[in-house]
Amino acid sequence: NAGVTQTPKFQVLKTGQSMTLQCAQDMNHEYMSWYRQDPGMGLRLIHYSVGAGITDQGEVPNGYNVSRSTTEDFPLRLLSAAPSQTSVYFCASSPDRVQETQYFGPGTRLLVL
Amino acid sequence: GESVGLHLPTLSVQEGDNSIINCAYSNSASDYFIWYKQESGKGPQFIIDIRSNMDKRQGQRVTVLLNKTVKHLSLQIAATQPGDSAVYFCAENAGGTSYGKLTFGQGTILTVHP
Repeated sequence: NAGVTQTPKFQVLKTGQSMTLQCAQDMNHEYMSWYRQDPGMGLRLIHYSVGAGITDQGEVPNGYNVSRSTTEDFPLRLLSAAPSQTSVYFCASSPDRVQETQYFGPGTRLLVL
Repeated sequence: GESVGLHLPTLSVQEGDNSIINCAYSNSASDYFIWYKQESGKGPQFIIDIRSNMDKRQGQRVTVLLNKTVKHLSLQIAATQPGDSAVYFCAENAGGTSYGKLTFGQGTILTVHP
């Protein structure tokens, strides 16, 4: 298994541009999440999904959209990038709603100018 | 230990020493806790977890202690090795077992000197 994969690894955007961060997992996990990590801070939840077709907001959802059309993929969309969205983004998946033992991807480093 | 703020706590130890990383959590309703390790340039990696009905749980070279009275969590690493150098995060599940409710602490930087 490849686990949780994320693309791209690094991206530079100009303010106002849009882009999609890709996340895929091959472990047949129902639960997937997107987090952002800012310097000196822990991870903060952006959006999450408990199964295909089901998504919900986390702690910091503003400026981001998600969809879950398949079990494997959970893309994160930035509709109009802002410098405040400069961060490292991590996607995670979990096999078990109760355990919450999440497997994290390697991250996408995003710089918005 | 961890606390709300901009400066990451740090812990420096010598190889072979035992390390103790502390975490103060905020929500008395939290009933599930996880410790993660994050190496530079990588995503967090699960280390060990504990439920609120336990005070202690042991893994391979790691022990997690939970004190619900003072809302305190600690991670003990025995015989610390240079490969243990990383940022360590605690995370609490804010009430119940609902997915998507994990709240992360800011992290503690552990540096192990050979």
